[in-house]
Amino acid sequence: GEDVEQSLFLSVREGDSSVINCTYTDSSSTYLYWYKQEPGAGLQLLTYIFSNMDMKQDQRLTVLLNKKDKHLSLRIADTQTGDSAIYFCAEKDPPWNAGNNRKLIWGLGTSLAVNP
Amino acid sequence: EAQVTQNPRYLITVTGKKLTVTCSQNMNHEYMSWYRQDPGLGLRQIYYSMNVEVTDKGDVPEGYKVSRKEKRNFPLILESPSPNQTSLYFCASSQNAGELFFGEGSRLTVL
Repeated sequence: GEDVEQSLFLSVREGDSSVINCTYTDSSSTYLYWYKQEPGAGLQLLTYIFSNMDMKQDQRLTVLLNKKDKHLSLRIADTQTGDSAIYFCAEKDPPWNAGNNRKLIWGLGTSLAVNP
Repeated sequence: EAQVTQNPRYLITVTGKKLTVTCSQNMNHEYMSWYRQDPGLGLRQIYYSMNVEVTDKGDVPEGYKVSRKEKRNFPLILESPSPNQTSLYFCASSQNAGELFFGEGSRLTVL
């Protein structure tokens, strides 16, 4: 079945770039998402990419997709203390698996700690 | 402001005492879903609803009920809570099931 895997922890210094990695298993056309969860809050959508794209950039965020290796990464440039959060990678289940649900398959989240 | 509102945010209850966690969204979204978040297990879907009066089980529906009588509301009902339902619960809504808007979460403790 489909699976999404992420490393659990990442620690960086303020001002450095952070790269959070994710692997997925579904080989179909799909959307891949990055969500951010700040302490004590719900998840918020950061960005997403369709599987026919290689890269997407949005201000300090860059998403890279290696479809051959089924590897997705989120790069945060000039990481700030406010970027400290848990980052979730998620994949949209294809219709033949999810039926009407089209649910997301979630990774366990990467906890990013930004040190001053 | 577009938002998903859950209540209560925090609740401590005892085994067997029925409770309801309310969820309301103001974005006219058709799709709504409930998740629970547990350490080491990530986010697991409990129930979802594609539209009014249409609900279906997610991955971990046991011990929960939902209803969708109106588009904006999607309450989660625990008829007889047990300690293994101690968790952080999130309601989410979406127009297309992928780009989800989440509530702030409801932390439930069942003693």
